[in-house]
Amino acid sequence: KQEVTQIPAALSVPEGENLVLNCSFTDSAIYNLQWFRQDPGKGLTSLLLIQSSQREQTSGRLNASLDKSSGRSTLYIAASQPGDSATYLCAVTSNTGKLIFGQGTTLQVKP
Amino acid sequence: EAGVAQSPRYKIIEKRQSVAFWCNPISGHATLYWYQQILGQGPKLLIQFQNNGVVDDSQLPKDRFSAERLKGVDSTLKIQPAKLEDSAVYLCASSVGQGAEKLFFGSGTQLSVL
Repeated sequence: KQEVTQIPAALSVPEGENLVLNCSFTDSAIYNLQWFRQDPGKGLTSLLLIQSSQREQTSGRLNASLDKSSGRSTLYIAASQPGDSATYLCAVTSNTGKLIFGQGTTLQVKP
Repeated sequence: EAGVAQSPRYKIIEKRQSVAFWCNPISGHATLYWYQQILGQGPKLLIQFQNNGVVDDSQLPKDRFSAERLKGVDSTLKIQPAKLEDSAVYLCASSVGQGAEKLFFGSGTQLSVL
């Protein structure tokens, strides 16, 4: 059974810092991995999608990496801003198309 | 392009009452998902539709939860009767096709069962 774990559960950093969020999964047989952002009281917004054959994806200040063999992904946020404060969720898509989420990392960027 | 629409935004009911949630996916999206997100946890898939057929409902508590997507467009999720542990945010999402695609989420319905 696929399990997705995110560490840390919460993170607080001063504005301008670079930071890394971690995601691990137990079954390496995945189709892709996605990182989502969730603001309080809102739905999820897809940030980056990495196919199983890819190693990383970049969008602006965000960079996500995938190491399928070790069951790990990281989301790197450069030059963090208060507007980056949110919960970040990673999710893996199994080969049967099922999307399984981690519990999320709640990020606070202090001005 | 309009996003995924959900209603109501909030609902407060007493245990043993019934409640229904509505979702209208993005136009043209064949796949619709209902997720349950308990506070502090990641979303858990309840049911996935491909057009008007059920693809996966393995985690739907079928003794009290039901969902339908009769015309392959909008969908309703019902809980009858509700329990305290059903308090959660119910998220609807849609995608163009099935499986490994980008999902678009609605804002969710926050349910409180007292």
